[in-house]
Amino acid sequence: SQTIHQWPATLVQPVGSPLSLECTVEGTSNPNLYWYRQAAGRGLQLLFYSVGIGQISSEVPQNLSASRPQDRQFILSSKKLLLSDSGFYLCAWTLQVGTGNEQYFGPGTRLTVT
Amino acid sequence: EDKVVQSPLSLVVHEGDTVTLNCSYEVTNFRSLLWYKQEKKAPTFLFMLTSSGIEKKSGRLSSILDKKELSSILNITATQTGDSAIYLCAVRLSGTYKYIFGTGTRLKVLA
Repeated sequence: SQTIHQWPATLVQPVGSPLSLECTVEGTSNPNLYWYRQAAGRGLQLLFYSVGIGQISSEVPQNLSASRPQDRQFILSSKKLLLSDSGFYLCAWTLQVGTGNEQYFGPGTRLTVT
Repeated sequence: EDKVVQSPLSLVVHEGDTVTLNCSYEVTNFRSLLWYKQEKKAPTFLFMLTSSGIEKKSGRLSSILDKKELSSILNITATQTGDSAIYLCAVRLSGTYKYIFGTGTRLKVLA
């Protein structure tokens, strides 16, 4: 069965510091990978998605970036955090081929920028 | 602009009540609609509805897709306190790998 991991679970960082959040998927190959941010317990904002190694689509221009160095690894980064970057960050995966559209989420990282 | 709208934003009911949550969408190319339940952490998958599968049921939860009205409902019968959560609706767009999420409905079930 497939498993998705995210770490760290919680993070408190000062404004202007760098960020690196990591997501890995087990039990599947060539998944589509996604980064979302959720503010104040509401809907999910799509930040980035990737359909393959090195292929990144950005949905929201901001001071965040994403990379996919390996098939099942997705990284969210920032060089300098802003207060507005606080939120709940979720990584998700889907199958790339076939009719399945179900998207499955990792446990999330709660980021507080102080 | 593609968008998904959920209503109501929040809802408080008593155990045993039946609730209906709504999701409407305006998107360029619809492929599927998904419902999730989110408690304290990550959303968990409930149902996926497509043109070939417009009705799903699991226990006390059921969902229907109305492609003519561009909407879906999620019904929960005989609610329990464990149903308290945010319920999220998402639409997968055809021709892309993108999902558009609604803002969610926060359901609170009182004992």
